[in-house]
Amino acid sequence: DARVTQTPRDKVTEMGQEVTMRCQPILGHNTVFWYRQTMMQGLELLAYFRNRAPLDDSGMPKDRFSAEMPDATLATLKIQPSEPRDSAVYFCASGITGVGRTEAFFGQGTRLTVV
Amino acid sequence: GQQVMQIPQYQHVQEGEDFTTYCNSSTTLSNIQWYKQRPGGHPVFLIQLVKSGEVKKQKRLTFQFGEAKKNSSLHITATQTTDVGTYFCAANNFNKFYFGSGTKLNVKP
Repeated sequence: DARVTQTPRDKVTEMGQEVTMRCQPILGHNTVFWYRQTMMQGLELLAYFRNRAPLDDSGMPKDRFSAEMPDATLATLKIQPSEPRDSAVYFCASGITGVGRTEAFFGQGTRLTVV
Repeated sequence: GQQVMQIPQYQHVQEGEDFTTYCNSSTTLSNIQWYKQRPGGHPVFLIQLVKSGEVKKQKRLTFQFGEAKKNSSLHITATQTTDVGTYFCAANNFNKFYFGSGTKLNVKP
């Protein structure tokens, strides 16, 4: 049963620390998305890769956030330094785009708490 | 980015009652998708609508895409407690998915 895998599931860290979240997209999917979900802002698109190339990261605070895809099986989202306002659930999603139906398959999410 | 407005924010219904959530955009959409997120879970794809005026059904769920492709609705007939969750519409703009704020459905048994 193919699924998007995210690690860690939960992360508690102190303000100022670096946080790295990892995502293994579904094999064969050409598009990877990073979303952040909070009660106040809902689901926000942070970054988006297609065929490992970053196409749009305009939703991301550039000074502290970075997203990469070192290879087709791994996407990372890094926050350095972390701040309490970064506390949220971060979802990775993957899909096949450019061929009509383009649904996004979500991982279980990483619940980040910055204290 | 693409703006999609979704209403209502919350809906509490008695089991057996119907439920509808609406999604509106100021611009014409290429397509629209609907997702369901159970409490504590992750969004799960339900359906995609592409054609103007399209209506699709999944058991008790009916999805509509407006004639102008600027609005969409999800209607659940005779809700059940298993329908509890947040329903999101997502506008697809050049393969980026912009989610509405969601409608949180609570069903009282």
